[in-house]
Amino acid sequence: DAKTTQPPSMDCAEGRAANLPCNHSTISGNEYVYWYRQIHSQGPQYIIHGLKNNETNEMASLIITEDRKSSTLILPHATLRDTAVYYCIVRGRSGGYNKLIFGAGTRLAVHP
Amino acid sequence: GAGVSQSPSNKVTEKGKDVELRCDPISGHTALYWYRQSLGQGLEFLIYFQGNSAPDKSGLPSDRFSAERTGGSVSTLTIQRTQQEDSAVYLCASSLGRDYTGELFFGEGSRLTVL
Repeated sequence: DAKTTQPPSMDCAEGRAANLPCNHSTISGNEYVYWYRQIHSQGPQYIIHGLKNNETNEMASLIITEDRKSSTLILPHATLRDTAVYYCIVRGRSGGYNKLIFGAGTRLAVHP
Repeated sequence: GAGVSQSPSNKVTEKGKDVELRCDPISGHTALYWYRQSLGQGLEFLIYFQGNSAPDKSGLPSDRFSAERTGGSVSTLTIQRTQQEDSAVYLCASSLGRDYTGELFFGEGSRLTVL
């Protein structure tokens, strides 16, 4: 699976959009981009995933560049409860299944 | 239950003792994963089950660690002769089938402390 690079930490003001970048320059054509987050002392929570098209759900939007070498997770109106570690993961179908390999992630702090 | 259930939520044991951690996945999920997270660290993959078989055990750190799954449902992670470096949160996740590309659902974890 391709490696991802994320900034170690970011800040965001409550109510503003949080834009979390991720580089995955070695991604291959059949690999998906996944985002999970982990709020303190909880298990990771799925946010969104995509292959090549932009995706939106009730939690966030995922913007993937045309060359697929980077992506941005957008939380449109961040709240204090969005404070968490956000993991960008590239995941392929190795061996017919899909284990997630977690990196260090981005620690997002949302402040009042 | 609706989500992945893990027990115990907290376990304190003495060095050298054996421990068993249990995971009850979401009903109908055939794929099950174990991860561990040491204090302040990221998640480390341990083992993957598809049904009752484990095609990927590559993350188990030593032969003191083993896991089994019965009836395609409940899984037990066993750590023998525990060491202090085994202290961590052990997380279980499940998902639909081997070809499913959607989300993994995680439990809240079992926090293991080895004194």
